[in-house]
Amino acid sequence: GAGVSQTPSNKVTEKGKYVELRCDPISGHTALYWYRQSLGQGPEFLIYFQGTGAADDSGLPNDRFFAVRPEGSVSTLKIQRTERGDSAVYLCASSLEGAGTGELFFGEGSRLTVL
Amino acid sequence: GQNIDQPTEMTATEGAIVQINCTYQTSGFNGLFWYQQHAGEAPTFLSYNVLDGLEEKGRFSSFLSRSKGYSYLLLKELQMKDSASYLCAVGNSWGKLQFGAGTQVVVTP
Repeated sequence: GAGVSQTPSNKVTEKGKYVELRCDPISGHTALYWYRQSLGQGPEFLIYFQGTGAADDSGLPNDRFFAVRPEGSVSTLKIQRTERGDSAVYLCASSLEGAGTGELFFGEGSRLTVL
Repeated sequence: GQNIDQPTEMTATEGAIVQINCTYQTSGFNGLFWYQQHAGEAPTFLSYNVLDGLEEKGRFSSFLSRSKGYSYLLLKELQMKDSASYLCAVGNSWGKLQFGAGTQVVVTP
């Protein structure tokens, strides 16, 4: 696709439920990042994939959060036993090689609301 | 770890100039990025500095001093559409960005 695509754009769920958020990066981009952004804050790093492997998952807040990228393209962020504090916009970004010198291209985000 | 500080909000008049300062403390550095984010939209890339000095790109310029841990984004000839949040971010060698909280710029007529 032309840009980074994220689905769903909005998700409302109840506390304790399981949620999956999907990211389809720009074609050919090997590096993929997940960020989380709360109102009035900058994006907070969660996890980075280079190809199929998670090269850095140091930003995942706890073991309820997990992400996969099985074929090196689409990625899914999975949140188990959601809590109200998980409410935020989850942003996905991709870049050509993750070389650190170029820009990240962000998707529009998935807004998660946990009631 | 990294600490990135920038002002919360700045207000300026259409046609004026605004300078957004960013200071950072970091254990690893591979460049300083500025992103623009309109309300409800994705951040979009504005600039990247890895060496000291000024990078100019149209109405926007960005400056970096690595020894001082300091950068600024200069917005000239402000337009109403420039009203947005401006995010300062420090990058590491493989592209991970640590963002500041953002500076909300309000442009008034």
